Amino acid sequence: QQQVKQSPQSLIVQKGGISIINCAYENTAFDYFPWYQQFPGKGPALLIAIRPDVSEKKEGRFTISFNKSAKQFSLHIMDSQPGDSATYFCAAKYSGAGSYQLTFGKGTKLSVIP
Amino acid sequence: DSGVTQTPKHLITATGQRVTLRCSPRSGDLSVYWYQQSLDQGLQFLIQYYNGEERAKGNILERFSAQQFPDLHSELNLSSLELGDSALYFCASSVVGSPSGNEQFFGPGTRLTVL
Repeated sequence: QQQVKQSPQSLIVQKGGISIINCAYENTAFDYFPWYQQFPGKGPALLIAIRPDVSEKKEGRFTISFNKSAKQFSLHIMDSQPGDSATYFCAAKYSGAGSYQLTFGKGTKLSVIP
Repeated sequence: DSGVTQTPKHLITATGQRVTLRCSPRSGDLSVYWYQQSLDQGLQFLIQYYNGEERAKGNILERFSAQQFPDLHSELNLSSLELGDSALYFCASSVVGSPSGNEQFFGPGTRLTVL
């Protein structure tokens, strides 16, 4: 059972444009929502994360928007650059019973074209 | 560089064999997580250890097992390997219990190919 749904599967954006990736979750007990960036041949790297008591978090060109009532969150990449071309994963964490495992979305392959 | 190391980087083996993947967490991190990444299933949580003890299990097959040693490094053992076990295996670590302990830092992965 997939608990975090991510869309789109792939995205092509022109340099300087805005990239938007969306995720939806089912489990209201999730309490931490990170985004990871993965380049080919590398491990996922934490990009930015948000807690459900915050509606927006911005770090540089990266912004997470969080809608608790809709159980949705999204990643916005402003002024997208070719170097941003990578696969992006949203994730959610439930801390119940001392477990901190991450449940990942299926990933979005972003291509930023010059 | 996340500070998490994994060996080997690549592993090619035959069906029915057994392999061991090794992970060293970041300095100070007590928790180790193992994830499997495949094209069809994405990133799937396998198992978590905290300070030597198993903390949580995910979609881990009975043919797979793991342990965390007193020096906090961890090993993932995969036995009776099947073609479908071919995947990237990632280890991640975190400081559990601290205000910033949510962040999991991933290693570079081990690419397992079962022929």
